[in-house]
Amino acid sequence: SQQGEEDPQALSIQEGENATMNCSYKTSINNLQWYRQNSGRGLVHLILIRSNEREKHSGRLRVTLDTSKKSSSLLITASRAADTASYFCATDKAAGNKLTFGGGTRVLVKP
Amino acid sequence: DADVTQTPRNRITKTGKRIMLECSQTKGHDRMYWYRQDPGLGLRLIYYSFDVKDINKGEISDGYSVSRQAQAKFSLSLESAIPNQTALYFCATSDGSQETQYFGPGTRLLVL
Repeated sequence: SQQGEEDPQALSIQEGENATMNCSYKTSINNLQWYRQNSGRGLVHLILIRSNEREKHSGRLRVTLDTSKKSSSLLITASRAADTASYFCATDKAAGNKLTFGGGTRVLVKP
Repeated sequence: DADVTQTPRNRITKTGKRIMLECSQTKGHDRMYWYRQDPGLGLRLIYYSFDVKDINKGEISDGYSVSRQAQAKFSLSLESAIPNQTALYFCATSDGSQETQYFGPGTRLLVL
């Protein structure tokens, strides 16, 4: 079973719009990470947020974490065609241990 | 050159055959992982290793075995391949002092 469940499963937006995706998980965590996967390639790490953090930014990415609701969101602002990919959340129960991935959100950014 | 490499990149095999997927890394990381990804799904952990003498089962280890030949090499074997092992397989590494993982390009396996 997967720790994280992502919503929506797919998202289609116009270039320049914002994309928001959500991740819910079941057990307490040490940190939550977001990864991007382009068309069947390897995953690339985007951002990590620790359980004692509520919000984190990296470039056009904004991640929030609500441990009381066991949920996280990833916002991509001013999306570009190159942001077209699948995005996965992954939870780590113990720092540096092992990750449990969600099912992913497929994002299509139309030019 | 890629930091995490996987060979082969694509493989077609028949039911019952034994195959090995190999992973090598030049990142100097102690921790290595094998995942499988099925179409439209996230990754599921098969096995992981925190150092050369350490092997641990993941969520879906049945039907698989691994070997950590050196710090830089971690191989995944399917002793007797079956069609439902058709999937995309990824190797990943991490440094014990960091929590992020670095992924290889994947091996696409088709079992007929």
